[in-house]
Amino acid sequence: ETGVTQTPRHLVMGMTNKKSLKCEQHLGHNAMYWYKQSAKKPLELMFVYNFKEQTENNSVPSRFSPECPNSSHLFLHLHTLQPEDSALYLCASSQPDRGLDQPQHFGDGTRLSIL
Amino acid sequence: GESVGLHLPTLSVQEGDNSIINCAYSNSASDYFIWYKQESGKGPQFIIDIRSNMDKRQGQRVTVLLNKTVKHLSLQIAATQPGDSAVYFCAERDNQGGKLIFGQGTELSVKP
Repeated sequence: ETGVTQTPRHLVMGMTNKKSLKCEQHLGHNAMYWYKQSAKKPLELMFVYNFKEQTENNSVPSRFSPECPNSSHLFLHLHTLQPEDSALYLCASSQPDRGLDQPQHFGDGTRLSIL
Repeated sequence: GESVGLHLPTLSVQEGDNSIINCAYSNSASDYFIWYKQESGKGPQFIIDIRSNMDKRQGQRVTVLLNKTVKHLSLQIAATQPGDSAVYFCAERDNQGGKLIFGQGTELSVKP
C-alpha cells in the first residue's frame, strides 16, 4: 500500500484519442505532482499543485492538461498525443507545510503507450 | 540547468556483500537529498534522506553519506539481499524553488 494510487496502470491509445489519468493520495498531503519517466532518462517534473492551485508548469505541451479538484485527487487529461509521449507517468504527493524536508511519495504509475 | 548524475548505470553484487551506489550533484546550494528505490513495475519508494548540514545518516541496513566538498552522495546497503535488486535514484532539492532534481538511476543486481 503506497498511499498514492494511480489508475489505470496501463493505457494504450491512438494519437486522436482523449483519455485521463487519475491519481488519489490517502496521506493527507497538500501538494501533488505529475512526473514523466522515459527509459534511461531522469524523472521529469511536469506539474505541481499546492492546495489545489497549480504552482508549476514545467513547459509541458498543451496536449497534457492537469486538473486538481481537491488536495486528494489529481488528473492528467490527454488529447492528441504523440508517439514520443509514450512513457511511465508518475504521480507523487508531499506535505510541504510540515517543514521543508518532506520527501515526495510516489504511486506506481500509469504505463502509457501511444500508437 | 542543474543536474544530478550517477557514476555507474549498473552495479552487480553478491548476496550478503555490501553495496555502494554513488551520485554526483552539481548545485552546491542544494540543501536536501533523497534516495529512492524503484522496483520493476512500481513507482519510486523513499529510502532515506539527508540534509546538507549533515555528513551521514543511518537507517535500517542503509547509510547515506554526503560530501559537500566534492558534491558527492552515496548510498550504502549492508548485507545486500535479492530483494534489494532495483534501480536506485538520488534526488537533490533546489533550495530556491523546492523542486526535486533526479539522477538517471543505478540498476543494482544481487546475485544469489
